[in-house]
Amino acid sequence: EVQLVESGGGLVQPGGSLRLSCAASGFTFSSYDMHWVRQATGKGLEWVSAIGTAGDTYYPGSVKGRFTISRENAKNSLYLQMNSLRAGDTAVYYCARAVYSGYDLPIWYFDLWGRGTLVTVSS
Amino acid sequence: QLVLTQSPSASASLGASVKLTCTLSSGHSSYAIAWHQQQPEKGPRYLMKLNSDGSHSKGDGIPDRFSGSSSGAERYLTISSLQSEDEADYYCQTWGTGIHEVFGGGTKLTVL
Repeated sequence: EVQLVESGGGLVQPGGSLRLSCAASGFTFSSYDMHWVRQATGKGLEWVSAIGTAGDTYYPGSVKGRFTISRENAKNSLYLQMNSLRAGDTAVYYCARAVYSGYDLPIWYFDLWGRGTLVTVSS
Repeated sequence: QLVLTQSPSASASLGASVKLTCTLSSGHSSYAIAWHQQQPEKGPRYLMKLNSDGSHSKGDGIPDRFSGSSSGAERYLTISSLQSEDEADYYCQTWGTGIHEVFGGGTKLTVL
């Protein structure tokens, strides 16, 4: 079965660290760019990070310098190391598989999502 | 800067049709987008990739009731024969190395 399964969420104090994992199965993990997306309660989806097949990484300003995305193709796994966590990082974190589209101007879109893991940053 | 804009809410009756809109910011009308559905208390689900010419490719298992179309900078998701399980949030999405506003704000669809 083609799926993504996140794990590693939990309660952490402000300033603390947490490492999320995403286990991929049913497809050739190494051939896909992968992303993390989060969603705070009652809010919309927010992009958190991306990693290409060559290991190139991308972040928005809100997490740059605090979060690190990585992948281990031999284990079909994606990771998100989160440091210096803040209350505003509290959210459900999803991993997503990205597919390239060159039909128009080049973009990537997400065609597979995990079920998410909850991260709560609170004292 | 590419920005995706969606109306916050929409509603339609059971069995009717509804058309949701995602508007690309000025100068970005040639981008494709993807539509995603998020039912209450669930993770997002990929519905389709929608190109600027209206052609689209749907995800596995997505019913024929879901279709997409485009006009200029507008990207549409049409749901026909609305069912109760279609009540959900719908997001448009695109990503590129220079694009950080990856998602539209989402449209909450209520089935009456």
